[in-house]
Amino acid sequence: GNSVTQMEGPVTLSEEAFLTINCTYTATGYPSLFWYVQYPGEGLQLLLKATKADDKGSNKGFEATYRKETTSFHLEKGSVQVSDSAVYFCALTVGAGNNRKLIWGLGTSLAVNP
Amino acid sequence: GAVVSQHPSWVICKSGTSVKIECRSLDFQATTMFWYRQFPKQSLMLMATSNEGSKATYEQGVEKDKFLINHASLTLSTLTVTSAHPEDSSFYICSASRTSVYEQFFGPGTRLTVL
Repeated sequence: GNSVTQMEGPVTLSEEAFLTINCTYTATGYPSLFWYVQYPGEGLQLLLKATKADDKGSNKGFEATYRKETTSFHLEKGSVQVSDSAVYFCALTVGAGNNRKLIWGLGTSLAVNP
Repeated sequence: GAVVSQHPSWVICKSGTSVKIECRSLDFQATTMFWYRQFPKQSLMLMATSNEGSKATYEQGVEKDKFLINHASLTLSTLTVTSAHPEDSSFYICSASRTSVYEQFFGPGTRLTVL
């Protein structure tokens, strides 16, 4: 079936450290891949996306590359800030038309200390 | 733009009562709204998809008579948990879309506790 696996948290880093949150997936067909972020007390919001193999999504200093050969979409940031503390969800879409839906990972909590 | 609100943000009710949760798109018209459920340390589980003016499409295993969804307008969808039981206690999240399924805008969620 279709599924998303992401590294367990929580992840705790010091400010300016390098961040990697691993995400791998299993899917039929050609899924689109996403990272969502949920800041404390707020709703989920789309951070970045990639719709085909080798695409790189980027936003707010975060990047993720769609790797079909390793079925991965790891999230990276070169220098994290305290304001990046949040929960990060990897997700994919499968299906077509009205049957299209998001499949979610468990989420990874990130805490950045000053 | 693209703000989605939910009300209430938390609710505590007695077993056997019904609870209604509202989801509103504040600054756009949502052709599709989604309802999710999230258990502690688990991923979001899609419960149903609703399009304005039509019946909701429920995911397998979700009881449509227990979780009533109404999408009466392009800015409002409601989820009613009928005859709530403690096992219905959870975090319920709605989202709204105006274009495609991955362009969803999420509400902040509603914490339901059934005593």
